[in-house]
Amino acid sequence: GEDVEQSLFLSVREGDSSVINCTYTDSSSTYLYWYKQEPGAGLQLLTYIFSNMDMKQDQRLTVLLNKKDKHLSLRIADTQTGDSAIYFCADGGAAGNKLTFGGGTRVLVKP
Amino acid sequence: DAEITQSPRHKITETGRQVTLACHQTWNHNNMFWYRQDLGHGLRLIHYSYGVQDTNKGEVSDGYSVSRSNTEDLPLTLESAASSQTSVYFCASSERSSGEAFFGQGTRLTVV
Repeated sequence: GEDVEQSLFLSVREGDSSVINCTYTDSSSTYLYWYKQEPGAGLQLLTYIFSNMDMKQDQRLTVLLNKKDKHLSLRIADTQTGDSAIYFCADGGAAGNKLTFGGGTRVLVKP
Repeated sequence: DAEITQSPRHKITETGRQVTLACHQTWNHNNMFWYRQDLGHGLRLIHYSYGVQDTNKGEVSDGYSVSRSNTEDLPLTLESAASSQTSVYFCASSERSSGEAFFGQGTRLTVV
């Protein structure tokens, strides 16, 4: 089946930028997603990008997509302690609605 | 406000017992999904449904079943619980062609 890979852990100082990376294998993906999970909670959609786009900016969030290398990244500007969470990259597949998740990247923001 | 709720939030059961986890959504979404979350594996898809009477197997469907008799509910049944099914289970729903999934709070299941 299709695969999505992420690094396990990222530590960043408050006020710095965070960059979370993801690679995927499905060349037919139409949408790629970033979800956030806070402790004891379900996942919440942060942002998404359509496969014909290179970049999408949404307030402090910037998503970059390199479709040739099947590489996706999420940049969080001015990282805050409230951004400490697990971030999941997800591939929506050809139909865009059946999600394959990466293993999640735990982000720890230090004051 | 529309929501998706799971029950129970926590459950302990014995090996071999049948267990059903409930999922109810008031978004009127066509798509519903069940995932399990384990350390080191992220979320893995168990079963999913694109509408009433439609069910499909996901990546890790062995030992699980679902049924979809109405739009709002997709109960997940563990036919004979095994210790390997100890996990946190998440239900999600989404619009027909959208990957913007709304997740429940999760059910922590322990099989002893």
